[in-house]
Amino acid sequence: QSVLTQPPSASGTPGQRVTISCSGSSSNIGSNYVSWYQQVPGTAPKLLIYWNNQRPSGVPDRFSGSKSGTSASLAISGLRSEDEADYYCASWDDSLSVYYVFGTGTKVTVL
Amino acid sequence: EVQLLESGGGLVQPGGSLRLSCAASGFTFSSCAMSWVRQAPGKGLEWVSALSGSGTSTYYADSVKGRFTISRDNSKKTLYLQMNSLRAEDTAIYYCARDRGGSFAGDFDYWGQGTLVTVSS
Repeated sequence: QSVLTQPPSASGTPGQRVTISCSGSSSNIGSNYVSWYQQVPGTAPKLLIYWNNQRPSGVPDRFSGSKSGTSASLAISGLRSEDEADYYCASWDDSLSVYYVFGTGTKVTVL
Repeated sequence: EVQLLESGGGLVQPGGSLRLSCAASGFTFSSCAMSWVRQAPGKGLEWVSALSGSGTSTYYADSVKGRFTISRDNSKKTLYLQMNSLRAEDTAIYYCARDRGGSFAGDFDYWGQGTLVTVSS
């Protein structure tokens, strides 16, 4: 049972902007950095965002992350067919012995 | 080129044991913390365990604490996960993942292809 809640699905047409939310609490998002991962079905996850809003080299600037209080968001602008995947937020959790948690995941569909 | 290659998965009976390995190449292995992350069939990601680059700090999810042991051999550039007292709910693809730094931070910038563990009688 994840402590980071995401909407199960999101969708958009090519070129649109899609935003995915990640809701947590003061023990995780509220006091720690957030990362975002993309997972195309049948493949390993890929790091998209770290430290709330930083992109690793090679990740297009169409992907952007933000954080406010105990929530975070991932925005995908100029949606492309290859963006169809599952997206997970993640964060440290300062609760006793929890350490690190992933969000529930959001399936993005390109219509 | 950074590569992580897991091995050791397979079918095991409930209560049994299995040891997973993750062979690393293309980077200074001892400089990076490493983690195991699993994904049950059709489910989301679950962080399992982490180990600092030096091997001195270990971390476990409550779901595996006391049953799983993470270790590494920096001379062989290999990460391990010893899994004991396996349960049906441990059935998953197990990924090894590299942290961006020497301490466990959860910024997993490289992942292996995963190895499937199935716990069933």
